[in-house]
Amino acid sequence: EDQVTQSPEALRLQEGESSSLNCSYTVSGLRGLFWYRQDPGKGPEFLFTLYSAGEEKEKERLKATLTKKESFLHITAPKPEDSATYLCAVESVNKFYFGSGTKLNVKP
Amino acid sequence: DTAVSQTPKYLVTQMGNDKSIKCEQNLGHDTMYWYKQDSKKFLKIMFSYNNKELIINETVPNRFSPKSPDKAHLNLHINSLELGDSAVYFCASSQVLGPSGANVLTFGAGSRLTVL
Repeated sequence: EDQVTQSPEALRLQEGESSSLNCSYTVSGLRGLFWYRQDPGKGPEFLFTLYSAGEEKEKERLKATLTKKESFLHITAPKPEDSATYLCAVESVNKFYFGSGTKLNVKP
Repeated sequence: DTAVSQTPKYLVTQMGNDKSIKCEQNLGHDTMYWYKQDSKKFLKIMFSYNNKELIINETVPNRFSPKSPDKAHLNLHINSLELGDSAVYFCASSQVLGPSGANVLTFGAGSRLTVL
């Protein structure tokens, strides 16, 4: 059965304390793995797409990596404005599967 | 210049009522979606339209009926509302990106439906 599992559910970091979020997936016919950021009261906002194992993408303090079974979102020296829920999603043929997200709270 | 806009943002109604949520995108995308986000933050796809044609119809009660008058609009009508329908409903549109044909979603801000 296709599914996406994210861990941890919640993560509290001090400003500057680097960490990683995990997204494990099982899906047949992977077209892409996506990371989205969702702020309270808003819709998810696209961050990255990864297509194949070994691929990496970076944007400011965020770096996403992909293996055949999981993806990591590494956050380097986070700031309070990075606080949000980070959602992972995978796409197979015409179907999207979202994880339940990791709620990140970065304290100043 | 909002890319995907949906209205209303909040909707509070009684059980048994009928309500609609409207969605419009100005991105020129061919595909639009309705997603439901429950209290545990799971986003679950309900429907997908490509150029006004229904292409994804997940196991959703037939009280939910989508309508796409043109490729820039996708509305959601819900009949006989139940308590379990309370959730945030997101409209999205997508464009194909990359070598594998993956779709990047652009979401609206969501419509929070509360059924009393």
